[in-house]
Amino acid sequence: GNSVTQMEGPVTLSEEAFLTINCTYTATGYPSLFWYVQYPGEGLQLLLKATKADDKGSNKGFEATYRKETTSFHLEKGSVQVSDSAVYFCALSDQETSGSRLTFGEGTQLTVNP
Amino acid sequence: DADVTQTPRNRITKTGKRIMLECSQTKGHDRMYWYRQDPGLGLQLIYYSFDVKDINKGEISDGYSVSRQAQAKFSLSLESAIPNQTALYFCATSEPPREQYFGPGTRLTVT
Repeated sequence: GNSVTQMEGPVTLSEEAFLTINCTYTATGYPSLFWYVQYPGEGLQLLLKATKADDKGSNKGFEATYRKETTSFHLEKGSVQVSDSAVYFCALSDQETSGSRLTFGEGTQLTVNP
Repeated sequence: DADVTQTPRNRITKTGKRIMLECSQTKGHDRMYWYRQDPGLGLQLIYYSFDVKDINKGEISDGYSVSRQAQAKFSLSLESAIPNQTALYFCATSEPPREQYFGPGTRLTVT
């Protein structure tokens, strides 16, 4: 079956530090990959996505590249801000084997200190 | 107005009680989902519906039931709540190939 593994958290950084959150996946088909963000007290919001190999998703300074050879979709940001503090979820959707169902990773709590 | 709304936002109930969580959407999507979030476990799919007549079990459907009253409404019921159903519950909608849109969540506590 499909699965998503995220790096263990929580992650604590100082403002303007470089961020990487690792995400690897297992899928039997050709999945689309997503990063969702959950700010405190809110639901999940789509941060970025990539639908095929070598695609790069980007939004709000965050980037992730769909790497089929390493089955990875790592999230990066060059300079984090306090307002980036949230929980980040990597997810995949495999249209062929599971319709539009999402499989989520465990989530990574990010705290950015001033 | 929010595209996906959930009621109630918070609920405390006792073991053995029946409880219903409601979800409404104004996005016009056919597909709707119920997820449960527990710390350190990400989100797990409880039930999903591809249209009013198509309802499917997800990964953790035991102890839950759902009703798709209309395209815009998808309710989750706990027939006899137990403490390990204490969690954050999210409703979501989608229209492939676009992403899923999530509601704000319902925090449920079973004492």
